[in-house]
Amino acid sequence: GAGVSQSPSNKVTEKGKDVELRCDPISGHTALYWYRQSLGQGLEFLIYFQGNSAPDKSGLPSDRFSAERTGGSVSTLTIQRTQQEDSAVYLCASSLILEQFFGPGTRLTVL
Amino acid sequence: AQKVTQAQTEISVVEKEDVTLDCVYETRDTTYYLFWYKQPPSGELVFLIRRNSFDEQNEISGRYSWNFQKSTSSFNFTITASQVVDSAVYFCALSEAGNNDMRFGAGTRLTVKP
Repeated sequence: GAGVSQSPSNKVTEKGKDVELRCDPISGHTALYWYRQSLGQGLEFLIYFQGNSAPDKSGLPSDRFSAERTGGSVSTLTIQRTQQEDSAVYLCASSLILEQFFGPGTRLTVL
Repeated sequence: AQKVTQAQTEISVVEKEDVTLDCVYETRDTTYYLFWYKQPPSGELVFLIRRNSFDEQNEISGRYSWNFQKSTSSFNFTITASQVVDSAVYFCALSEAGNNDMRFGAGTRLTVKP
């Protein structure tokens, strides 16, 4: 597709379960970002991938969070042993130069 | 450390009014980039504009205009003759050269009433 896509659009899970969120960036974009947006809040940076370089994981809130980017394209954000405070919208963005283009997000609800 | 402040949490105007959304930033870098994004009720962030630190020229795009003033570290956004479709949350963001994360302000929720 033309834009950034994310799946699933909604995910409801039970506390303690693991979840995987997927992001398909815009074709040709070398940079990929993950953000978290809690209800009514701004965006919190989580992780950044640029080409084949080591990712910048400085925004990950705990070791329960991890992300991979395979083949320089699709990325998966994994949250292990989910907690209720993980409930948020997880946004993915990709960029070629500076401007970031965002996907529709995955709304995660941890019961 | 970089920081973006959007002091206006919510603004409500009547259609056709002009409205200005404020953004104040902090950075120690001499090279940085400022952005505005729109997040409509559908939730997807839409890129509006990027401004480089070395280019203080203001910009106008249709009903939108941006006023970048380094002297006051501000990058304000004005919507002229607002419309109901302008209702959204607007985010100002800052990215420093060589820094991977983009810092967003808390956002300003704009409601335009008919």
